[in-house]
Amino acid sequence: GAVVSQHPSWVICKSGTSVKIECRSLDFQATTMFWYRQFPKQSLMLMATSNEGSKATYEQGVEKDKFLINHASLTLSTLTVTSAHPEDSSFYICSAPAGSATGPSPLHFGNGTRLTVT
Amino acid sequence: GQNIDQPTEMTATEGAIVQINCTYQTSGFNGLFWYQQHAGEAPTFLSYNVLDGLEEKGRFSSFLSRSKGYSYLLLKELQMKDSASYLCASMDSNYQLIWGAGTKLIIKP
Repeated sequence: GAVVSQHPSWVICKSGTSVKIECRSLDFQATTMFWYRQFPKQSLMLMATSNEGSKATYEQGVEKDKFLINHASLTLSTLTVTSAHPEDSSFYICSAPAGSATGPSPLHFGNGTRLTVT
Repeated sequence: GQNIDQPTEMTATEGAIVQINCTYQTSGFNGLFWYQQHAGEAPTFLSYNVLDGLEEKGRFSSFLSRSKGYSYLLLKELQMKDSASYLCASMDSNYQLIWGAGTKLIIKP
């Protein structure tokens, strides 16, 4: 089945530093990947849609200069949290549709990255 | 507008059956997904319904009624490992997923 690999699984960083999270589709190509954030006991919140070879589409209220997304190849998307602050501490999850990017297909999720900013 | 509603929490007994309901209002409906999410982990895909009726997959079944904007996930022969949150998500006309807040299912011995 379709596998999405996300790295790192957890990271602790100091306030003001930047953190990069990688998301790879291992056995399929993903022209589109989605980045979610989930705070404890809350639902998934879509942050942005990553598009291979073009700019990401950000959801309302998500700062594009703070959450930098790069989708340089059909199998890799990265999310960089710049100048991280304690309020950015959360569970970040990437996902990709295994089928057509424009058709109904299930999203396959990476294992998530738990970010703690001290 | 677009909206998904599902109960916040449910409790059931090991070995029993539980039905988790989900109602939705989605423009340009393209199907209904159910995901399972254990605490601290990413969601895993359970089922997809786009036509009316019941889809069965082992102990799990999912039902859809498009005219009523309603779906349910049915879990049979509950096991302790089924304790998790169950997320309902509808797909809109742009093939974007609209997520419910999730139903936390607690299984008691």
